[in-house]
Formats: sequence, C-alpha cells, structure tokens
Amino acid sequence: DTAVSQTPKYLVTQMGNDKSIKCEQNLGHDTMYWYKQDSKKFLKIMFSYNNKELIINETVPNRFSPKSPDKAHLNLHINSLELGDSAVYFCASSQRGLLYEQYFGPGTRLTVT
Amino acid sequence: TQLLEQSPQFLSIQEGENLTVYCNSSSVFSSLQWYRQEPGEGPVLLVTVVTGGEVKKLKRLTFQFGDARKDSSLHITAAQPGDTGLYLCAGEGYSGGGADGLTFGKGTHLIIQP
Repeated sequence: DTAVSQTPKYLVTQMGNDKSIKCEQNLGHDTMYWYKQDSKKFLKIMFSYNNKELIINETVPNRFSPKSPDKAHLNLHINSLELGDSAVYFCASSQRGLLYEQYFGPGTRLTVT
Repeated sequence: TQLLEQSPQFLSIQEGENLTVYCNSSSVFSSLQWYRQEPGEGPVLLVTVVTGGEVKKLKRLTFQFGDARKDSSLHITAAQPGDTGLYLCAGEGYSGGGADGLTFGKGTHLIIQP
C-alpha cells in the first residue's frame, strides 16, 4: 500500500499557466507538508498544514496555494507559472508530537518552458 | 534561521571502505533525522536521534547525535554499492519564514563503486 502518493509524477507546462499537484496520505497522520527540491537537491519547506491550520514559509510566492479538502489530502495549486518554479515538489506527512518523522511521496517533477 | 551544514557534499569510494558524513549547526535541535534519497524517489527516513550523545545503529550504519545537540554524524562500515544515494540530515524546528517543519542540510551524494 502506498503511504504518500502524488500525481502527476511529471508535469511539463508553459509559463503563465496554472497547474495543480495532488497529494494523498493513508497513514492517518494529522500534518501534511509541501517541500520544493531544487536542481542542487536542496529541500526547502513551503507549507505545513495541520488541522486546518496553515503555516506558510514567508519566502513562498503567493502564486502557490495549498488546498486541503480533508485530513488525508493536501493539493498544491500554482498560478502564473514561471521558469524558476521548475523543480521537484514533494508532499510529506507526519503525526504531530512524534518527532516530526516525515513520510515523503515520490515527488512531482515540474518543468516550466 | 536554523542552518544545517553537511560535509562532504560529494563522496565516491570503493566497496568495502568506511566513511563518515557530518551534519553541523550553530543551533540546538530538539531532534535530528537522517534520510536517504534515491534518484526519482522521495527521501526515506533512516533514523531519529533525540538525546545528546545518543548513538544508534542500523546494520552497518552508525548515527551519533552530538552532546550539545548541534551536530550529528553518520558512519558507514564496509560500504556496499547498495549504499549509494543522497544522504540528508534534517533538524526539527522552525526552518525560517515561520513554516513548521524540518530544516534540511544540502545533502551528501555518496557513490560506492564496486
């Protein structure tokens, strides 16, 4: 059984478009995250979402917006895509209070042309 | 902002050799985790260390948390080609900008040649 899943695995789109990446976890965790991994493999947190409480990394442009229809899903919507948005985006989940041990999805490689 | 410095960034050694990867910070972390990431996949948790001076072993991998909880090391004995991957250390705490999550080091790319 897949613990954290993301779709799509690859996403190629043009500048200016709007796109979404979906994430689902079946671990029963109460907190979900989005991370961005750049070309040098540096992972940086973008958002954390717990019990309808959204905490945003202030460096993330407001073109990025997470949407959580329920506790098991945290989707990432990106407006007006730019070349610099090209990266691998990882969804992760954890149970708050359990050392922040995180379970990552397989990643979505976004390429903006 | 809490930062984690990993060294070395790249390491290529022969099968059977030993190696150590370091993770250092000027900040104190409540806990520190090590992840391994293979190409095309997400990071996978290897271990969490919590107590200063703690040592944990996972087969040929030995993890240590510094006494002051500011640094950690990963030692691999008799490395094998299957150990090849990107090793990431991550500390629990605010990563800057207020987001609640892990602060990651920049990773160590490890290649074990047969």
